[in-house]
Amino acid sequence: LAKTTQPISMDSYEGQEVNITCSHNNIATNDYITWYQQFPSQGPRFIIQGYKTKVTNEVASLFIPADRKSSTLSLPRVSLSDTAVYYCLVGDRSTDKLIFGTGTRLQVFP
Amino acid sequence: GAVVSQHPSWVICKSGTSVKIECRSLDFQATTMFWYRQFPKQSLMLMATSNEGSKATYEQGVEKDKFLINHASLTLSTLTVTSAHPEDSSFYICSADTAGDRGLEQYFGPGTRLTVT
Repeated sequence: LAKTTQPISMDSYEGQEVNITCSHNNIATNDYITWYQQFPSQGPRFIIQGYKTKVTNEVASLFIPADRKSSTLSLPRVSLSDTAVYYCLVGDRSTDKLIFGTGTRLQVFP
Repeated sequence: GAVVSQHPSWVICKSGTSVKIECRSLDFQATTMFWYRQFPKQSLMLMATSNEGSKATYEQGVEKDKFLINHASLTLSTLTVTSAHPEDSSFYICSADTAGDRGLEQYFGPGTRLTVT
Protein backbone atom coordinates (compact mmCIF):
# COMPACT_ATOMS: atom_id res chain seq x y z
CA LEU A 1 0.00 0.00 0.00
CA ALA A 2 1.29 3.43 -0.88
CA LYS A 3 2.61 5.33 2.05
CA THR A 4 1.66 8.92 1.42
CA THR A 5 3.44 10.62 4.25
CA GLN A 6 3.68 14.28 5.07
CA PRO A 7 5.20 16.23 7.95
CA ILE A 8 2.66 16.49 10.73
CA SER A 9 3.00 20.22 11.16
CA MET A 10 4.88 23.28 10.02
CA ASP A 11 5.14 26.81 11.35
CA SER A 12 5.81 29.90 9.31
CA TYR A 13 5.51 33.67 9.43
CA GLU A 14 3.54 35.91 7.18
CA GLY A 15 5.30 36.74 3.93
CA GLN A 16 7.52 33.67 3.93
CA GLU A 17 7.55 30.89 1.38
CA VAL A 18 6.39 27.50 2.64
CA ASN A 19 7.27 24.18 1.05
CA ILE A 20 5.36 21.06 2.05
CA THR A 21 6.53 17.70 0.78
CA CYS A 22 4.52 14.54 0.30
CA SER A 23 6.30 11.22 -0.07
CA HIS A 24 4.51 8.63 -2.19
CA ASN A 25 6.85 5.77 -2.92
CA ASN A 26 4.30 3.53 -4.68
CA ILE A 27 2.50 6.04 -6.82
CA ALA A 28 0.47 4.78 -9.75
CA THR A 29 2.08 5.38 -13.11
CA ASN A 30 -0.69 7.29 -14.81
CA ASP A 31 -2.22 9.30 -12.00
CA TYR A 32 -1.86 12.97 -11.30
CA ILE A 33 -0.81 14.36 -7.93
CA THR A 34 -3.32 16.71 -6.39
CA TRP A 35 -3.06 18.98 -3.38
CA TYR A 36 -5.91 20.22 -1.24
CA GLN A 37 -6.36 22.73 1.56
CA GLN A 38 -8.76 22.07 4.41
CA PHE A 39 -10.03 24.42 7.08
CA PRO A 40 -11.65 23.09 10.26
CA SER A 41 -15.09 21.58 9.69
CA GLN A 42 -14.95 22.21 5.95
CA GLY A 43 -14.41 20.04 2.91
CA PRO A 44 -11.06 20.04 1.11
CA ARG A 45 -10.45 22.79 -1.42
CA PHE A 46 -8.45 22.15 -4.58
CA ILE A 47 -5.11 23.93 -4.78
CA ILE A 48 -3.10 22.49 -7.63
CA GLN A 49 -2.57 19.34 -9.67
CA GLY A 50 0.32 18.04 -11.72
CA TYR A 51 1.84 14.96 -13.30
CA LYS A 52 5.54 15.76 -13.49
CA THR A 53 8.09 18.57 -13.41
CA LYS A 54 6.60 21.87 -12.32
CA VAL A 55 3.15 23.36 -12.34
CA THR A 56 2.25 26.87 -11.26
CA ASN A 57 -1.05 28.63 -10.79
CA GLU A 58 -2.14 31.84 -9.14
CA VAL A 59 -1.86 30.47 -5.61
CA ALA A 60 0.87 27.81 -5.57
CA SER A 61 3.52 25.84 -7.36
CA LEU A 62 3.94 22.10 -7.46
CA PHE A 63 7.31 20.46 -7.96
CA ILE A 64 7.49 16.81 -8.96
CA PRO A 65 10.81 15.04 -9.51
CA ALA A 66 11.35 12.64 -12.38
CA ASP A 67 10.75 9.51 -10.28
CA ARG A 68 7.46 10.98 -8.97
CA LYS A 69 8.02 9.42 -5.56
CA SER A 70 7.48 12.74 -3.90
CA SER A 71 5.97 16.12 -4.60
CA THR A 72 6.40 19.52 -3.03
CA LEU A 73 3.71 22.13 -2.68
CA SER A 74 5.13 25.63 -2.57
CA LEU A 75 3.10 28.50 -1.16
CA PRO A 76 4.71 31.88 -1.86
CA ARG A 77 4.36 34.63 0.72
CA VAL A 78 1.91 32.96 3.07
CA SER A 79 -0.62 34.96 5.04
CA LEU A 80 -2.55 34.23 8.22
CA SER A 81 -5.44 32.92 6.14
CA ASP A 82 -3.22 30.13 4.83
CA THR A 83 -3.32 28.49 8.27
CA ALA A 84 -4.93 25.15 7.44
CA VAL A 85 -4.23 21.48 6.86
CA TYR A 86 -2.77 20.54 3.49
CA TYR A 87 -3.21 17.13 1.91
CA CYS A 88 -1.75 15.45 -1.12
CA LEU A 89 -3.85 12.94 -3.04
CA VAL A 90 -2.16 10.29 -5.14
CA GLY A 91 -2.99 6.99 -6.79
CA ASP A 92 -1.57 3.83 -5.29
CA ARG A 93 -0.05 1.46 -7.81
CA SER A 94 -0.88 -1.65 -5.81
CA THR A 95 -4.53 -1.02 -5.07
CA ASP A 96 -5.38 1.36 -7.90
CA LYS A 97 -6.99 3.62 -5.33
CA LEU A 98 -6.56 7.30 -4.71
CA ILE A 99 -5.20 7.87 -1.22
CA PHE A 100 -4.96 11.04 0.79
CA GLY A 101 -1.71 11.84 2.49
CA THR A 102 -1.46 12.10 6.25
CA GLY A 103 -1.87 15.86 6.12
CA THR A 104 0.31 18.77 7.21
CA ARG A 105 -1.00 21.34 9.63
CA LEU A 106 0.43 24.72 8.66
CA GLN A 107 0.35 27.49 11.24
CA VAL A 108 1.17 30.97 10.02
CA PHE A 109 2.15 33.56 12.62
CA PRO A 110 2.01 37.33 12.25
CA GLY B 1 -18.58 26.42 -11.12
CA ALA B 2 -18.29 22.85 -9.81
CA VAL B 3 -20.11 23.40 -6.54
CA VAL B 4 -21.05 20.48 -4.32
CA SER B 5 -23.46 20.86 -1.43
CA GLN B 6 -24.26 18.63 1.51
CA HIS B 7 -27.26 18.56 3.77
CA PRO B 8 -27.43 18.72 6.67
CA SER B 9 -24.21 20.45 7.69
CA TRP B 10 -24.50 18.93 11.13
CA VAL B 11 -26.80 16.47 12.83
CA ILE B 12 -27.19 15.02 16.29
CA CYS B 13 -29.05 11.77 16.64
CA LYS B 14 -29.68 9.16 19.28
CA SER B 15 -28.01 5.80 19.25
CA GLY B 16 -29.98 3.27 17.22
CA THR B 17 -31.58 5.73 14.85
CA SER B 18 -30.77 6.29 11.17
CA VAL B 19 -29.49 9.44 9.55
CA LYS B 20 -29.52 10.40 5.88
CA ILE B 21 -26.96 12.76 4.38
CA GLU B 22 -27.49 14.27 0.93
CA CYS B 23 -24.77 15.24 -1.51
CA ARG B 24 -25.64 17.34 -4.55
CA SER B 25 -23.64 18.63 -7.47
CA LEU B 26 -25.26 22.00 -8.11
CA ASP B 27 -23.95 23.09 -11.49
CA PHE B 28 -22.68 19.96 -13.14
CA GLN B 29 -23.53 16.33 -13.61
CA ALA B 30 -21.38 13.83 -11.78
CA THR B 31 -21.42 10.23 -12.86
CA THR B 32 -19.31 9.36 -9.85
CA MET B 33 -19.53 10.53 -6.27
CA PHE B 34 -17.29 9.56 -3.39
CA TRP B 35 -18.02 9.36 0.31
CA TYR B 36 -15.30 9.96 2.89
CA ARG B 37 -15.13 9.83 6.65
CA GLN B 38 -12.76 11.95 8.68
CA PHE B 39 -12.10 11.56 12.39
CA PRO B 40 -10.62 14.44 14.39
CA LYS B 41 -7.05 15.31 13.42
CA GLN B 42 -6.96 12.50 10.88
CA SER B 43 -6.89 12.32 7.12
CA LEU B 44 -9.86 11.57 4.89
CA MET B 45 -10.65 7.89 4.48
CA LEU B 46 -12.59 6.75 1.44
CA MET B 47 -15.70 4.82 2.39
CA ALA B 48 -17.28 4.12 -0.97
CA THR B 49 -17.49 5.06 -4.61
CA SER B 50 -20.93 5.68 -6.02
CA ASN B 51 -21.85 5.59 -9.69
CA GLU B 52 -25.21 6.83 -10.91
CA GLY B 53 -27.66 4.02 -11.42
CA SER B 54 -25.49 1.25 -10.02
CA LYS B 55 -24.52 -0.17 -6.67
CA ALA B 56 -21.84 1.55 -4.69
CA THR B 57 -18.40 0.04 -4.29
CA TYR B 58 -17.37 -0.07 -0.65
CA GLU B 59 -13.85 0.01 0.70
CA GLN B 60 -12.55 -2.79 2.81
CA GLY B 61 -13.82 -2.58 6.35
CA VAL B 62 -16.86 -0.44 5.53
CA GLU B 63 -20.14 -2.22 6.20
CA LYS B 64 -22.42 -1.79 3.22
CA ASP B 65 -25.51 -2.68 5.26
CA LYS B 66 -24.71 0.00 7.78
CA PHE B 67 -23.76 2.76 5.36
CA LEU B 68 -26.38 2.69 2.63
CA ILE B 69 -25.54 4.68 -0.45
CA ASN B 70 -28.00 5.62 -3.16
CA HIS B 71 -27.01 7.47 -6.31
CA ALA B 72 -30.34 7.94 -8.02
CA SER B 73 -29.44 10.78 -10.36
CA LEU B 74 -26.45 12.50 -11.87
CA THR B 75 -26.66 15.25 -9.28
CA LEU B 76 -27.66 13.48 -6.08
CA SER B 77 -26.15 10.81 -3.88
CA THR B 78 -27.29 9.95 -0.37
CA LEU B 79 -25.54 8.23 2.51
CA THR B 80 -27.73 6.70 5.20
CA VAL B 81 -26.08 5.69 8.44
CA THR B 82 -28.35 2.97 9.82
CA SER B 83 -28.61 2.11 13.50
CA ALA B 84 -26.06 4.74 14.34
CA HIS B 85 -23.78 4.29 17.34
CA PRO B 86 -21.47 6.75 19.09
CA GLU B 87 -18.47 5.34 17.24
CA ASP B 88 -20.09 6.48 13.98
CA SER B 89 -19.72 10.07 15.11
CA SER B 90 -17.49 11.67 12.53
CA PHE B 91 -17.21 14.22 9.75
CA TYR B 92 -18.65 12.83 6.53
CA ILE B 93 -17.57 14.43 3.27
CA CYS B 94 -18.76 13.72 -0.25
CA SER B 95 -17.14 14.63 -3.52
CA ALA B 96 -18.23 14.57 -7.12
CA ASP B 97 -15.98 13.85 -10.03
CA THR B 98 -16.31 15.59 -13.36
CA ALA B 99 -13.93 13.34 -15.25
CA GLY B 100 -15.08 9.80 -14.66
CA ASP B 101 -14.64 7.45 -11.73
CA ARG B 102 -10.90 7.77 -11.23
CA GLY B 103 -11.32 10.66 -8.84
CA LEU B 104 -8.86 12.90 -10.59
CA GLU B 105 -11.14 15.92 -10.70
CA GLN B 106 -13.00 15.75 -7.43
CA TYR B 107 -14.93 18.65 -6.01
CA PHE B 108 -15.72 18.31 -2.36
CA GLY B 109 -18.79 19.18 -0.39
CA PRO B 110 -18.59 21.16 2.85
CA GLY B 111 -19.04 18.07 4.99
CA THR B 112 -21.59 16.87 7.52
CA ARG B 113 -20.73 16.50 11.16
CA LEU B 114 -22.59 13.60 12.72
CA THR B 115 -22.80 13.25 16.46
CA VAL B 116 -24.45 10.15 17.88
CA THR B 117 -25.44 10.35 21.53
